[in-house]
Amino acid sequence: DGGITQSPKYLFRKEGQNVTLSCEQNLNHDAMYWYRQDPGQGLRLIYYSQIVNDFQKGDIAEGYSVSREKKESFPLTVTSAQKNPTAFYLCASSIPTTWGTHTDTQYFGPGTRLTVL
Amino acid sequence: QQQVKQSPQSLIVQKGGISIINCAYENTAFDYFPWYQQFPGKGPALLIAIRPDVSEKKEGRFTISFNKSAKQFSLHIMDSQPGDSATYFCAAQERGYSTLTFGKGTMLLVSP
Repeated sequence: DGGITQSPKYLFRKEGQNVTLSCEQNLNHDAMYWYRQDPGQGLRLIYYSQIVNDFQKGDIAEGYSVSREKKESFPLTVTSAQKNPTAFYLCASSIPTTWGTHTDTQYFGPGTRLTVL
Repeated sequence: QQQVKQSPQSLIVQKGGISIINCAYENTAFDYFPWYQQFPGKGPALLIAIRPDVSEKKEGRFTISFNKSAKQFSLHIMDSQPGDSATYFCAAQERGYSTLTFGKGTMLLVSP
């Protein structure tokens, strides 16, 4: 079955530690995204990548890092520089839109809930 | 920063009633407006989407109404059911860009 997988579902981190969240997709999508969700804040874009070996900062990139070495994978590292990392993290993918064509849907994974102890 | 403003923050509707969620935007370059449905602990899923060339789109009990001049769009859920209880997000996308700008969400509770 095609889809997006995120692991782990729950993650606990001690203050000062870096932690990496996994996101894998087998939809053959070029574009991938990471969002952070906090109660009452909607979905805020952390990083996105439209092609392998290239990525751009979103609205709240500080304290996060990503890599895109393979089309299928877009891991997110939450570093110790992120002051308030406890949140629900969502990964998504899409076929990137091109000028003049219809936009393609973003498909979301099931999410990872990160808690800092 | 371009924003999409969503209201209300929460909504309680009786079973069989109509649920209405509103969104407004400022960026006239937005040309794709999807709505996502999210159940607790799950990722959002696309519910319905509209483009500015039409004023309304209906899929089953879900309808998007779009007012281009007012820069507003809304989601109507007819005959609301307890299974519709979820958080709903509106979003907007600028032509030529792949990123979405999301509203802050509406938590809908449909009482039996």
